[in-house]
Amino acid sequence: EPEVTQTPSHQVTQMGQEVILRCVPISNHLYFYWYRQILGQKVEFLVSFYNNEISEKSEIFDDQFSVERPDGSNFTLKIRSTKLEDSAMYFCASTRGMGTDTQYFGPGTRLTVL
Amino acid sequence: AQKITQTQPGMFVQEKEAVTLDCTYDTSDQSYGLFWYKQPSSGEMIFLIYQGSYDEQNATEGRYSLNFQKARKSANLVISASQLGDSAMYFCPWRNDMRFGAGTRLTVKP
Repeated sequence: EPEVTQTPSHQVTQMGQEVILRCVPISNHLYFYWYRQILGQKVEFLVSFYNNEISEKSEIFDDQFSVERPDGSNFTLKIRSTKLEDSAMYFCASTRGMGTDTQYFGPGTRLTVL
Repeated sequence: AQKITQTQPGMFVQEKEAVTLDCTYDTSDQSYGLFWYKQPSSGEMIFLIYQGSYDEQNATEGRYSLNFQKARKSANLVISASQLGDSAMYFCPWRNDMRFGAGTRLTVKP
């Protein structure tokens, strides 16, 4: 069964450093999403992406964040200058279409900012 | 913006019994949907079931079913015959803007 994959599973970085989290969505899916979940807290929507552009973003997704689909398979989230409060689990998800299509989540990348 | 409310931060159920996890929402949309996801301690997000606003019947998927009450704006998840492996966090995000509520932590007791 196709699945969303994410790399790395765990990333440790120093405050102020740039990180890139990578996701490979399911191949025939067209909509891509990033979420984060600070330990013990709820899942927070960051951004949705369709047709090579951001379709929606939350207030969390400020200028420090960017997303890109550099080729036909990868979908990346970049954090330019990490802060301690960026430490969280980051989930990528994809869906075939809008509306009722189920979002399939990747296993997540745990980001630890020291 | 739509708002999702899960009023039960924690629930306990005896193994093999049924349990209902609450989810209410606030929207003026006529067409919408709600998902239920399970997040075990390992962290992955697992899709369970979907309910659309125009679905005439409550969604069912194995041991999972939705008690969808459109007038009350609730879409509660019913898990029948609970298993120890059902212990997890449960979320009911709103369709594809995917706003998550705080979740409910279900613990199944042997």
